[in-house]
This record gives sequence, C-alpha cells and structure tokens, in this order.
Amino acid sequence: GAGVSQSPSNKVTEKGKDVELRCDPISGHTALYWYRQSLGQGLEFLIYFQGNSAPDKSGLPSDRFSAERTGGSVSTLTIQRTQQEDSAVYLCASSSYPTYEQYFGPGTRLTVT
Amino acid sequence: TQLLEQSPQFLSIQEGENLTVYCNSSSVFSSLQWYRQEPGEGPVLLVTVVTGGEVKKLKRLTFQFGDARKDSSLHITAAQPGDTGLYLCAGAGGGADGLTFGKGTHLIIQP
Repeated sequence: GAGVSQSPSNKVTEKGKDVELRCDPISGHTALYWYRQSLGQGLEFLIYFQGNSAPDKSGLPSDRFSAERTGGSVSTLTIQRTQQEDSAVYLCASSSYPTYEQYFGPGTRLTVT
Repeated sequence: TQLLEQSPQFLSIQEGENLTVYCNSSSVFSSLQWYRQEPGEGPVLLVTVVTGGEVKKLKRLTFQFGDARKDSSLHITAAQPGDTGLYLCAGAGGGADGLTFGKGTHLIIQP
C-alpha cells in the first residue's frame, strides 16, 4: 500500500515568510508525528496527534510553530515568520495500534534564506 | 529528559568486515527501534526489540536489547557496500508517544 507522503519535497523561503508543510499518513493509521532533522542535531520530536487531537506538543521549539490535523488524516505543520535556524528536514511519520511502529515519509527540506 | 547515545558516530570499513554499533541510555524504554536512512529519504524501520535480552536477526544484521532495556546493539556480519547509510536507534516510552532518537552512526562500507 501507499506509504507516508509529504509535500513539498523542497521549499526555499525568505526569512520572515510563513510556510506550510503537508503530511499524508498511511491510510488507517491513527497516530501522526512530526520530527525535525538538522545537521549535528539528529532527529528531534516536535508533536504528535492521536486522531485529531495533539496530546503532546512539548517538542515545538517556539510559538511560531503550530500543527493541525483534520479528519484524522492529513496534517499541516505551519512555521510563521521563518528564521534561518528553522532550516532543516521536516519528517512526518504515522503509526497505529497495537505496535505503534512509526513509518516515515521522505521529508520536506526547508531552506530559509 | 531521556537521551540515547550512539557510538561510533562515524565508521568506515572494508567490504567483508564485521562491525557493531551501540546505543546506550540511562533511561528504560518500553521498546527500541533501529532505522536506516539514506540521503534524501526518510528513515526506514529495520527492527523493533521489546523484551529485555531479546535478540533478533535480519539476514546479516543482529540486533540485541539489553536485559535492563536501556541499551541495544546492532552487529553486521560481512558488511557490503549496500549496507552504507545512517543507522539510527530510537527509544519508545510506550503506546503512541513520540520517539527519542540517537544522533546516528554514519556507516560507509568501501568495496
């Protein structure tokens, strides 16, 4: 079946602009996750959704970051007033009961100039 | 804060050699997962270990979970150039929680 898809695959934006990243999870997966991967920092957990609610937002680095999920499926991660330190690969994963093993999409590479 | 330390960070060896990658933590995890990531792609799940002392084999790869569920190792026998990639370990706290990742081991197998 289809895996996790993310769009766009690459995004270049100017400092101060807002960006929206999209994730389409594996069909039927109830949990959805956002991570950020930066050089030298590894994979950093940002937020996860169970259905449409986000029980854990603890990883969001600042209030410029927000995420939503509608219909228990597609999710968008929004970064407002982007800064150069936001440049990274943003990865989405999904999982489901009982194992909750996470399957990742290919990521969106964000470059803030 | 749960942390996972991976070692070595970088490893370059010749085809046919054996190697071991380590993943250590002071915290207990309900399970531990190993992923492999290639440039421009997302991590791909290799294995999940759940029980302390568990050993799982995937062809030439052997994964072990420590008795105390705080550490794990990945052993590759007779490494091949196709094994080249970034190997990541990730600890799960349980249920649908987000994963805690190590910084990864960059492995290069030279033909």
